[in-house]
Amino acid sequence: QVQLQESGPGLVKPSETLPLTCTVSGVSISADYWGWIRQPPGKGLEWIAYVSNSGTTTYNPSLKSRVTISVDTSKNQLSLTLSSVTAADTAIYYCARGRSASGQRIFDYWGQGTLVTVSS
Amino acid sequence: DIVMTQSPDSLAVSLGERATINCKSSQSVLYNPNNKNYLAWFQQKPGQPPKLLIYWASTRESGVPDRFSGSGSGTDFSLTISSLQAEDVAVYYCQQYSGNPYTFGQGTKVEIK
Repeated sequence: QVQLQESGPGLVKPSETLPLTCTVSGVSISADYWGWIRQPPGKGLEWIAYVSNSGTTTYNPSLKSRVTISVDTSKNQLSLTLSSVTAADTAIYYCARGRSASGQRIFDYWGQGTLVTVSS
Repeated sequence: DIVMTQSPDSLAVSLGERATINCKSSQSVLYNPNNKNYLAWFQQKPGQPPKLLIYWASTRESGVPDRFSGSGSGTDFSLTISSLQAEDVAVYYCQQYSGNPYTFGQGTKVEIK
């Protein structure tokens, strides 16, 4: 059974860098693509990025300059860093598996999410 | 970016009745070489992550009850719940995975009348 568990700092100060980790169990992270999606409290969903098992990355252009996504196959973990955060980055951050789908990805398994608040 | 617009924003339906949610994309998400619509539907209950219901516009994910169905092609899509159950109360999102960036609709809240 595929399970994903996000972890993060909870509270980050404006202008700092947000580090997030997603621990994957039940499947090898080398087996597929993996992504991050976020959701401001009470609002809609925004796709951030995904990464292949070989490390090939695809970013949302609106966030590309501030985001880095990577996988650590030895730990079966997915990571995301978001730099220069502002209050607009306050959100629940979800990691998800991106099942391969004719050249694109379908997010079929999701973690429970971790709430990140940006505040001084 | 492909803009996804859902209607209505909220919907109240009696138990056992049909609920239909519409989703319109600003550009076609149909890829002609394989004749597939790169469109998914998700269900999100309070305090939970989104759950994949439908992909390729009309293919139900494994384990999803058959009262959920998706239809449409090109730019116009629908999600239908044929007989609303109490456990279907949730926010539903459409999402295109045709091009970068992947984008979601704003969500439709389904409640019991």
